Amino acid sequence: GAVVSQHPSRVICKSGTSVKIECRSLDFQATTMFWYRQFPKQSLMLMATSNEGSKATYEQGVEKDKFLINHASLTLSTLTVTSAHPEDSSFYICSATDRGNEKLFFGSGTQLSVL
Amino acid sequence: GESVGLHLPTLSVQEGDNSIINCAYSNSASDYFIWYKQESGKGPQFIIDIRSNMDKRQGQRVTVLLNKTVKHLSLQIAATQPGDSAVYFCAENGAAGNKLTFGGGTRVLVKP
Repeated sequence: GAVVSQHPSRVICKSGTSVKIECRSLDFQATTMFWYRQFPKQSLMLMATSNEGSKATYEQGVEKDKFLINHASLTLSTLTVTSAHPEDSSFYICSATDRGNEKLFFGSGTQLSVL
Repeated sequence: GESVGLHLPTLSVQEGDNSIINCAYSNSASDYFIWYKQESGKGPQFIIDIRSNMDKRQGQRVTVLLNKTVKHLSLQIAATQPGDSAVYFCAENGAAGNKLTFGGGTRVLVKP
């Protein structure tokens, strides 16, 4: 199956700093990428949808100025958590799909810990 | 709003036995369903999918059953192995734009 690479796998940062998470499709062109957030023992919650070359669409309740998403190429999307606070600590997961394919492929996730 | 939910949060199963994980969905417009397996600290891994024009689909050691009448989805794992221990999520792709809605998850614990 298609491979989605996500980096870093784990990051610890100080409160007030910004953190960038990368999501890459390695062997296919990802026209659409999704970013999810997952708290311990809970399900995945969709944060936003990013389409290559256009602005991301955010789900209700997700602050677009805090969670900056860039999808500048067909193989790369980034999520930047700006001015991170302890409540932003979570597991962030990206997924990607290629044209016309409903099946989503997920990255390995990024565990963010804000001190 | 529409949602996908699970009946059992934790399932303990003896190694070698069969496992059945259930999922209820409420979006009658959903036409594509997927089961994912998530191990601790990792992203979801695709297991099997099924479209609404099918009632059953089989993979390697896994079978997905879809009952559209009662909006119920199940995943059956045959001869459960220790490596099957994980959290299993059902998801439906009824929304526009390939958005997936995930159920709450069921943790499967395989006892040796």
